Amino acid sequence: NAGVMQNPRHLVRRRGQEARLRCSPMKGHSHVYWYRQLPEEGLKFMVYLQKENIIDESGMPKERFSAEFPKEGPSILRIQQVVRGDSAAYFCASTLTSGSDEQFFGPGTRLTVL
Amino acid sequence: QKEVEQDPGPLSVPEGAIVSLNCTYSNSAFQYFMWYRQYSRKGPELLMYTYSSGNKEDGRFTAQVDKSSKYISLFIRDSQPSDSATYLCAITPPHEGGGNKLTFGTGTQLKVEL
Repeated sequence: NAGVMQNPRHLVRRRGQEARLRCSPMKGHSHVYWYRQLPEEGLKFMVYLQKENIIDESGMPKERFSAEFPKEGPSILRIQQVVRGDSAAYFCASTLTSGSDEQFFGPGTRLTVL
Repeated sequence: QKEVEQDPGPLSVPEGAIVSLNCTYSNSAFQYFMWYRQYSRKGPELLMYTYSSGNKEDGRFTAQVDKSSKYISLFIRDSQPSDSATYLCAITPPHEGGGNKLTFGTGTQLKVEL
């Protein structure tokens, strides 16, 4: 039973390019959370999605960042026109229900912006 | 003031020592308290979870919550080199149907030496 999968594990982009990060939740899970971990900082909540719906995006930067979780396929976190400050580890976590207490984390995508 | 404060360490202890990791939080509305362990270059994994004041034990690990002081602790007995990791406290407000976003401390880096 595969856990949460994220790809790519490492992503290098030049300033101004787009970054697409993918997250496949655990089998049977339809709730996904995205967190960002900046160097020397803890994980910060970004967005919470259910299939085809964004439920809470209070942690998302207002510009350049978007997320989706389509009916079929992985959840995608998209960063347009990346800047150096976007360099971080991005983790997704999945849960079975909205009230689930345990979030299962993926291995993360480490984004480096040159 | 940060919602969750955690001493970043690093903390270095000899094998077999008792380790005490601590967090404080500011919002009394937070009701669910968790400890995650994160190995280098990996995603966080849930160690302990509790929602009430008092102690909860699981093997060598004990989670302690003092809601009156807004203070949470994780104790590791008979520490092993394999316990070397970053330990993150995480808290969450009551479930309100809008998901269960976690607020993390910055993490304490622990090294258990032979």
